[in-house]
This record gives sequence, structure tokens and C-alpha cells, in this order.
Amino acid sequence: NAGVTQTPKFRILKIGQSMTLQCAQDMNHNYMYWYRQDPGMGLKLIYYSVGAGITDKGEVPNGYNVSRSTTEDFPLRLELAAPSQTSVYFCASRRDSSYNEQFFGPGTRLTVL
Amino acid sequence: KQEVTQIPAALSVPEGENLVLNCSFTDSAIYNLQWFRQDPGKGLTSLLLIQSSQREQTSGRLNASLDKSSGRSTLYIAASQPGDSATYLCAVDTGTASKLTFGTGTRLQVTL
Repeated sequence: NAGVTQTPKFRILKIGQSMTLQCAQDMNHNYMYWYRQDPGMGLKLIYYSVGAGITDKGEVPNGYNVSRSTTEDFPLRLELAAPSQTSVYFCASRRDSSYNEQFFGPGTRLTVL
Repeated sequence: KQEVTQIPAALSVPEGENLVLNCSFTDSAIYNLQWFRQDPGKGLTSLLLIQSSQREQTSGRLNASLDKSSGRSTLYIAASQPGDSATYLCAVDTGTASKLTFGTGTRLQVTL
């Protein structure tokens, strides 16, 4: 299993541009999450999904959108990028709500100039 | 709102020393608590997961304890090695869609 994969690894955007961060998992996990990590800080939840077609907002959803059309994929869309969205973005997945761990992807480092 | 605090923010110890990292949380109604390791520029690796009904979990030189009533967890690392140098994050799961609330981490450096 590849686990949780994310693309791209790095990206520089100009203010106002849009992009989609890709996330995929091959573990047949139902739950998927997007977090952002600012320098020296813990991770904050942006959006999450408990299954295909079901998404909900986390702690810091403004400026982002998500979709979950398949179990495997959970893309994060940034519209009208702003410098405040400069961060490292992590995608994670978990089998379900029972006793099991969250598994994380390697992250996407995004800079908005 | 759940808040998670980790103390100390940074720690430097000589190789071979035993050490304890602390994590505290404000709402004791948790489902489980997970400890992660993060290497610079990398993602998170899960180390240990403790269910709310458990008191501790062990994996090799790592031992994590949980006192839910007092809102505390500790990660004990025995006989530290330079390869243990990383940032250690704790996160609590409040059970709602298994969302995690993270602490800000402890940056550990183990010196030769």
C-alpha cells in the first residue's frame, strides 16, 4: 500500500490564483481530513469527510473547498489565494471512528506571494 | 472548546538519558489520545494511540500514559538516541467524526 499520497510537494502561488491540492489513499478508509500547519504551531483542521459524498467544515475552513466523489480521493481547493494561506497542508485518513489511528500524507508546502 | 498544551516547547538532552514529554488537555471527554513524531519537512508518523479506557501503551522504548480525569498524558522515552531527535505532537480525539485537536509540539534534540 502507498498509504496517503499528496501532490504537489511544493507550490508557489500568486495572490488571487487558485489551485487544487490532491490527496489519495489506498487503504479503503472512510474518514479523510485536511489540516494546515503554520510554523511553530500544531495542526488545525480545515475540512473532513466521513465517506464519499459527505464533507463538513473543521476549525479553519474559510478560503477552502473540498469534494469527496470517491472513497480514495479528497482534493482541497483554494480559491483566490491569499498570503495567510501560506502553510504546510497535510491530508490524513482513518478507517472509521472505532479504535484506530489517523495516517498522514507527506504534506504540501504552499507559499502565496 | 478543547485545547491541548505541550510542555516543554523544546528540550535538549544527552544521549542515553530517559525523558518525559507532557501533554495536557482541557476537556476530559476524549475518545482517545495519539502521539505523533514529525521529522523536519516531513509528515506525521503515529507512535502510540491510547484509548480513553486505557492507562498506558508501550512500543519499544516508548511508553505513553493517560490520566483522563486530570487531562494529562505523558510520553516517556527510555535511553534516548540521536535518532529520536524530532518534534513530538500529541492529539486528542473527541469522538465527533474522530477529529483530532493537536498540541503545538515538543521539539526534542538528543545530543552525542
